[in-house]
Amino acid sequence: GDSVTQMEGPVTLSEEAFLTINCTYTATGYPSLFWYVQYPGEGLQLLLKATKADDKGSNKGFEATYRKETTSFHLEKGSVQVSDSAVYFCALIDSGGGADGLTFGKGTHLIIQP
Amino acid sequence: DTAVSQTPKYLVTQMGNDKSIKCEQNLGHDTMYWYKQDSKKFLKIMFSYNNKELIINETVPNRFSPKSPDKAHLNLHINSLELGDSAVYFCASSQDSENTEAFFGQGTRLTVV
Repeated sequence: GDSVTQMEGPVTLSEEAFLTINCTYTATGYPSLFWYVQYPGEGLQLLLKATKADDKGSNKGFEATYRKETTSFHLEKGSVQVSDSAVYFCALIDSGGGADGLTFGKGTHLIIQP
Repeated sequence: DTAVSQTPKYLVTQMGNDKSIKCEQNLGHDTMYWYKQDSKKFLKIMFSYNNKELIINETVPNRFSPKSPDKAHLNLHINSLELGDSAVYFCASSQDSENTEAFFGQGTRLTVV
């Protein structure tokens, strides 16, 4: 079956530091890949996505590139802010059909200190 | 306008009770879902519903049942609540079931005492 593995936190960084959250996946088909963010007490919001190999998703200074050869979709940001503190989820939906819904990683809790 | 809305936001109830969580989406999407997030933040699909086709995650107890009166609504009914049902339940919707992102509601925190 499909699975997503991401680094577990908490990850604690100082403001303006460089961020990388690793994500790798296994899928039976040709998946679309997503990063979702969950701020404290809120639901999940789509942060960015990529639907085919070498696509780069970007939003709010975050980027991730779909690497089929390494089955990875690492999230990066050049300079984090305190407001980026949240839980980040890597997820996929397989090309075989999304009726099975998103497959999520376990989430990475990011804490940014001023 | 809230795209995916679910009520209530918080639900505290006793073991053995029956409860429902409502979900509505105003995005015109064809597919709706219920996810469960446990205390460790792990998210897992419970159900998806597309054009009256229900896909059930085989690990979900049959005490849980989704009800869809129309394409814009997917309610979750839970019978004989147990302590282990305590979690945050998220409703979501997507345009279709093929490689499109899901839009999530704000979640319902269910606490069974």
